[in-house]
Amino acid sequence: EADIYQTPRYLVIGTGKKITLECSQTMGHDKMYWYQQDPGMELHLIHYSYGVNSTEKGDLSSESTVSRIRTEHFPLTLESARPSHTSQYLCASTQPGGTNEKLFFGSGTQLSVL
Amino acid sequence: KNQVEQSPQSLIILEGKNCTLQCNYTVSPFSNLRWYKQDTGRGPVSLTIMTFSENTKSNGRYTATLDADTKQSSLHITASQLSDSASYICVVSDRGSTLGRLYFGRGTQLTVWP
Repeated sequence: EADIYQTPRYLVIGTGKKITLECSQTMGHDKMYWYQQDPGMELHLIHYSYGVNSTEKGDLSSESTVSRIRTEHFPLTLESARPSHTSQYLCASTQPGGTNEKLFFGSGTQLSVL
Repeated sequence: KNQVEQSPQSLIILEGKNCTLQCNYTVSPFSNLRWYKQDTGRGPVSLTIMTFSENTKSNGRYTATLDADTKQSSLHITASQLSDSASYICVVSDRGSTLGRLYFGRGTQLTVWP
């Protein structure tokens, strides 16, 4: 089992609210990622980080922002949630190690914006 | 455009039977191919990772094959169990890219009936 944790597991909020999805890992991994996944669809990379104070946008345009102040913590923030943000958000981490480096995922946060 | 296509989209089998899931990709250049198992409402868990030089890899009752010439991979599940019910995702990485540039398939939803 991977030591990567996401909270909350489920979140139902109203439009316009500011929310932060938490992601923490205790493996000391430098690389961390946020993916968005809709039912029956592929995962889309929305943000990634290669270490403290490093953040980059992914392939999928997202109105969210991330921060990486500590190695173990990679929170994702939506300043003003909209129904189009309803989705599952998955956090992942890995330690650089060549082509066989393993990607560990958290259990995800299922976000519903009403 | 780099793509990963999986088939079938969904599959129902009886407990104890074998099954094979397919993955075709157009990602180039190729670095490695991964199979993940994702239980409903959870994050994906790694099953196998294969590089260009590997054509088969096993993990318990799961056996993955890779034909880099035809750009095809399969995941064979032997003696299926109820706990095998999940989505199985094929993920391809291109050579020289950061791990953040993974290409995900949409998954095959497997249901095992008693």
